[in-house]
Formats: sequence, structure tokens, C-alpha cells
Amino acid sequence: EPEVTQTPSHQVTQMGQEVILRCVPISNHLYFYWYRQILGQKVEFLVSFYNNEISEKSEIFDDQFSVERPDGSNFTLKIRSTKLEDSAMYFCASSEGRTLTDTQYFGPGTRLTVL
Amino acid sequence: AQKITQTQPGMFVQEKEAVTLDCTYDTSDQSYGLFWYKQPSSGEMIFLIYQGSYDEQNATEGRYSLNFQKARKSANLVISASQLGDSAMYFCAMRAEGAQKLVFGQGTRLTINP
Repeated sequence: EPEVTQTPSHQVTQMGQEVILRCVPISNHLYFYWYRQILGQKVEFLVSFYNNEISEKSEIFDDQFSVERPDGSNFTLKIRSTKLEDSAMYFCASSEGRTLTDTQYFGPGTRLTVL
Repeated sequence: AQKITQTQPGMFVQEKEAVTLDCTYDTSDQSYGLFWYKQPSSGEMIFLIYQGSYDEQNATEGRYSLNFQKARKSANLVISASQLGDSAMYFCAMRAEGAQKLVFGQGTRLTINP
């Protein structure tokens, strides 16, 4: 069964450094998403992406964040200058479409630790 | 704005028993979807079941069913014949029609005892 994959599974970085989290969505899916989950808290939406553009973003997704689909398979989340509070699990998700019945399938997550 | 409330931070159930995980929601949208995801200790988010706001029948997927009470704005997950592998965090989420973001609740940690 096709699945969303994410690399790396765990990333440790120093405060102020740039990180890029990578995702390979399910191949026939057209909508891509990033969510984050701070330890012990609920999952929060960051951004959705379609047709090489951001289609929806939350207030968390400020200028420090950017997303890109650099080629036909990868979808990346970049954090330009990491802060301690960016430490979280970051989930990539994808869906075929944007109707209510189009389920968002999540990847296994990347645990980001900012020191 | 949408809000999801899961009032049970933790549940303990004996193996083979049925369990109900509560979820209430608040929205002014007329058309929306409700979702349940399972998060095992390994961390991944696994989709379990979907209920549309206009669906007349409660959704079922194998051992999972959704007790949808629209007037009460509740969408409780029922797991029948629980198994040890059901031990995990369970998140209720919703999405309004036309929106792309899923709004999640705080989650319920389910522990199945042998």
C-alpha cells in the first residue's frame, strides 16, 4: 500500500540553524500538508500546498517557514533560523483532492530537536 | 472556527472489551468531516475512520465505528473487541468543507490491559 515517507526520522540542530525536512507524498496525490506536534500536545496545522503554491497556512507558519516541491516527488519544509520552541514532531501528509472524503494520509514524522 | 474536545485524557480497558472514546466538536459550518486517527508509541498517525456531516448512517470500518450524533455535536469512536495492539493515542479531528486544515483534539491515551 502506498505511503507517505519522511526523512530524517530525527534531526538535532543548534538554535539559529536552518533545517530542511523532507517528505515524499503518495504518488498520485495532489495536495500536501505539514503539521506539527509539540511533545504532549495536539497536532497543529502549519500549511497546505497545491499546484506549487501555498493554498492555506496557519498563524504559526510565519516568515521563518517555507515549503517547496523541488521536483516531482519531494515536498520540503524549511525552517530558516530554528528556535527552541520549534522542537516538535513534524508530520507531512498528502491527499488526492480537497473534498471532505479525501483523507489526509500522514507520514511517520520527523522529530526535530533544537538545542 | 472549529474546536474539538476530547475530555478523556486516559482510558484503561480490559482486552476483548468494547471501548468508546468521546469527541465533541464545535463549528458553525454546515458541511464538515470528522476523522479519527491513531498514534501508536512509534509516533506515526494512522487514519481510522471518517464521518461526513450529511451522512445518515454511522461510519464503520472493521472493528471501528463512529457514533455520530449531529444534534449533540458528538462523534465518538467505538472500538469493539479491543486488542493489545489498540493501545495508543487516539485523536479526533475535523475539517470544514472548502478548508484544507484538519483541526485536532487533545487526544485520548487508550491502554488495553491483558
